[in-house]
Amino acid sequence: GAVVSQHPSRVICKSGTSVKIECRSLDFQATTMFWYRQFPKQSLMLMATSNEGSKATYEQGVEKDKFLINHASLTLSTLTVTSAHPEDSSFYICSARDDRGRNYGYTFGSGTRLTVV
Amino acid sequence: GQNIDQPTEMTATEGAIVQINCTYQTSGFNGLFWYQQHAGEAPTFLSYNVLDGLEEKGRFSSFLSRSKGYSYLLLKELQMKDSASYLCAVLEYGNKLVFGAGTILRVKS
Repeated sequence: GAVVSQHPSRVICKSGTSVKIECRSLDFQATTMFWYRQFPKQSLMLMATSNEGSKATYEQGVEKDKFLINHASLTLSTLTVTSAHPEDSSFYICSARDDRGRNYGYTFGSGTRLTVV
Repeated sequence: GQNIDQPTEMTATEGAIVQINCTYQTSGFNGLFWYQQHAGEAPTFLSYNVLDGLEEKGRFSSFLSRSKGYSYLLLKELQMKDSASYLCAVLEYGNKLVFGAGTILRVKS
C-alpha cells in the first residue's frame, strides 16, 4: 500500500533556530502534498498545500515566510519552521496525494512532535 | 465559509454499537472521509463516501446524505482498542481535505 515517511518523529529545538521536517512518499508519486498542524486535543488544521515545481498555497493566517515549504521532487516535500518560538510547538503532519488515486489519494505521515524551548 | 461539526466526546460499552455524527457546510464537496487517530499518531483511513447511502466495511460503516450535509460513522461490536479520536473530513474542490474537530470515543468495559 501507499506509505508516507515523515522525519523526524520528534525534535526539540531552541527558540530562534530553524527546524526542517521531511515528508517522503515511498512507493508512489505525489504532485500534491499537504501540511497540517495539530494542537493537543484539537483537530488537524491545514497550513498549506505543497505542489511539486511551484509555490505552495498557504491557508489564511499562516505566515509563508515563517513556514517555508519546498516540493522539489514528486516524492519529497519539506517544511522548515524558521526562527521557531515556543508557540510553534505542535504536532505537524503531512499527507501526500497519490497521483494514481489509490487509497482515495490521501496517505498521512506519522507526524513530527516539535517542542521549542 | 466551512463548518464541520461533530460531538466532542462519546462513551460506549465494549460490545455495543455507537454512531458518531458529522454535519458539514463547505465550499464544494468531493467526498467525505472518516479517519481514526490515536493520541500522538497520524490519522488512519477508515472510509470514504461520495454518493448517498451506506458503505459497510467489517465492523465499521459510514453513511452519507449530501442533500442534508450529514454523515455518520457506525462502529459495531466495540472493542477497547476502538478508543480513539474519530475525524470527519470533507474533500473540497481543489483537493483540499478539511477536518472537523474530532470526536473522542471512550470504550469502557
